[in-house]
Amino acid sequence: DVKVTQSSRYLVKRTGEKVFLECVQDMDHENMFWYRQDPGLGLRLIYFSYDVKMKEKGDIPEGYSVSREKKERFSLILESASTNQTSMYLCATRRTQVAFFGQGTRLTVV
Amino acid sequence: AQSVTQLDSHVSVSEGTPVLLRCNYSSSYSPSLFWYVQHPNKGLQLLLKYTSAATLVKGINGFEAEFKKSETSFHLTKPSAHMSDAAEYFCVVSDREGFQKLVFGTGTRLLVSP
Repeated sequence: DVKVTQSSRYLVKRTGEKVFLECVQDMDHENMFWYRQDPGLGLRLIYFSYDVKMKEKGDIPEGYSVSREKKERFSLILESASTNQTSMYLCATRRTQVAFFGQGTRLTVV
Repeated sequence: AQSVTQLDSHVSVSEGTPVLLRCNYSSSYSPSLFWYVQHPNKGLQLLLKYTSAATLVKGINGFEAEFKKSETSFHLTKPSAHMSDAAEYFCVVSDREGFQKLVFGTGTRLLVSP
């Protein structure tokens, strides 16, 4: 079974802090994704990566950046956290067309 | 550009009755379509997928969906709801060309009462 592990289930951060969300996969997949999930909006793509050191903006990249130094690890960075970034963040990998998701990180910015 | 519309934000059924969750899609190319389920405090799990083979697709836990090109629909059904089906369901579309980005609907919360 594919395993996608997000480092934290719950995080509380202060406005203006730099926040790192980590995601690790164990199946050697090239493609990795970060989504945020908000009630009534479904999942929206923030950034994705199709190879080490490669990254592409998704639909809502503003206020975020990413890092992919190793194939198995994809990090989402909130440069200066704001309250409107309070959300559930989901990491995913993909093999052919099927996506595999982590458990999610519920981030609260106060 | 692709998009999906889930027509109901909430659906309530009684245990043992049929389930219908509706999804319409828009795609410039021949799409691949998926249904994912998210149980409370859990990650998303693939229920089923359509990728151009049979139009009636069977998934896990007794769910199935039918691809209807003429209606641009991919509705999810189950003959008899179980309490454990209570969850949020997402319809997802992906083009089969290019990078094949996944586009999610806004979700339908299924409530199952005894």
